[in-house]
Amino acid sequence: SAVISQKPSRDICQRGTSLTIQCQVDSQVTMMFWYRQQPGQSLTLIATANQGSEATYESGFVIDKFPISRPNLTFSTLTVSNMSPEDSSIYLCSARPVGTLNTEAFFGQGTRLTVV
Amino acid sequence: SQQGEEDPQALSIQEGENATMNCSYKTSINNLQWYRQNSGRGLVHLILIRSNEREKHSGRLRVTLDTSKKSSSLLITASRAADTASYFCATDHAGNMLTFGGGTRLMVKP
Repeated sequence: SAVISQKPSRDICQRGTSLTIQCQVDSQVTMMFWYRQQPGQSLTLIATANQGSEATYESGFVIDKFPISRPNLTFSTLTVSNMSPEDSSIYLCSARPVGTLNTEAFFGQGTRLTVV
Repeated sequence: SQQGEEDPQALSIQEGENATMNCSYKTSINNLQWYRQNSGRGLVHLILIRSNEREKHSGRLRVTLDTSKKSSSLLITASRAADTASYFCATDHAGNMLTFGGGTRLMVKP
């Protein structure tokens, strides 16, 4: 199993500013994922963050808006840039251990972002 | 993008009753997983069922998988107020990312 520490747990930000969310995993993981959960909705994958390479973004998400870093096998950050009220969501990081076939995913506790 | 659909979207039952949630998906899978989320917090893994399995149990949870119909169900027996949460199915297609269904909001009234 893996424990993921995600911070901040919540923040209220002014529009036009940026927020960086950090996730620290207590063991090495091959893949980390960033999800967005809009109010009352399900999780939507933003990008897959692999160590040593550029993140892979899903349709509708771009690097300029959501830059991601993955400097090592236990840490990743997601930045929400130039925020608008539409970015108000819960952001979740997730990880799957090495040898990911038929394994569960582990999640951080989420960052509840409100943009005013 | 969401792969699956869940129904019902919301379910309200009395403590002690059983709760059944259904999940449908569109393409072939390696496995299907169920997660629980309390009040918009992180997701907690409940159970994983592989594509070659038809039924799995874990405590008060029972999961079935019908790959011919591309559907799964989660049954929570003898529900408790503490089971109140949102429940999501997630499909694993290629061993990396999970794709989540729309979720079922379960309310168990004491």
